Amino acid sequence: EPEVTQTPSHQVTQMGQEVILRCVPISNHLYFYWYRQILGQKVEFLVSFYNNEISEKSEIFDDQFSVERPDGSNFTLKIRSTKLEDSAMYFCASRFAQLCFFGQGTRLTVV
Amino acid sequence: AQKVTQAQTEISVVEKEDVTLDCVYETRDTTYYLFWYKQPPSGELVFLIRRNSFDEQNEISGRYSWNFQKSTSSFNFTITASQVVDSAVYFCALSAPPSGSARQLTFGSGTQLTVLP
Repeated sequence: EPEVTQTPSHQVTQMGQEVILRCVPISNHLYFYWYRQILGQKVEFLVSFYNNEISEKSEIFDDQFSVERPDGSNFTLKIRSTKLEDSAMYFCASRFAQLCFFGQGTRLTVV
Repeated sequence: AQKVTQAQTEISVVEKEDVTLDCVYETRDTTYYLFWYKQPPSGELVFLIRRNSFDEQNEISGRYSWNFQKSTSSFNFTITASQVVDSAVYFCALSAPPSGSARQLTFGSGTQLTVLP
């Protein structure tokens, strides 16, 4: 069964460092998303991506964040200069029709 | 703007009891989709069900059933004869057409269900 794959599963980084979270969406899906879940809280939308550009973004998705699809298969989320409050689980998702499938998440810990 | 409210933060039941998780949503759109996801302790989000706004039929899948009522903007989830493996956080989510077509999900705050043996 096709699935969304995220790497790494857990990343620890120092405050101020850049991190790149990677995702491989399901191959025939057209819409891709990043969501964030701070520990114990709800899942929040960050950004959606369609046709090689951002289609929607939330107010959380500020200039520190960027997304790209460099090679037609990977979908990455970059945080330029991490802050302590960026510590969270980051979920990638891809959508076909109205079904949205999530990856297993990357737990980012900023120390 | 869309909003999803899950008023029950935590529920504990004893195995084999039935339990209902409440979900109330707000949207101005007439076309929308409602979802339930399960998040076990391992952290992933597991899709359980999708329901569109034009289909108010209740659905049953094994021990799971869903009650969609447009009149009260609710989409409640019932687990019959609960099992320890049902212990997880359950999220209700809403997807409605925004100005574009991204249709991102708006999640509720989740209900932590604990099923005791």
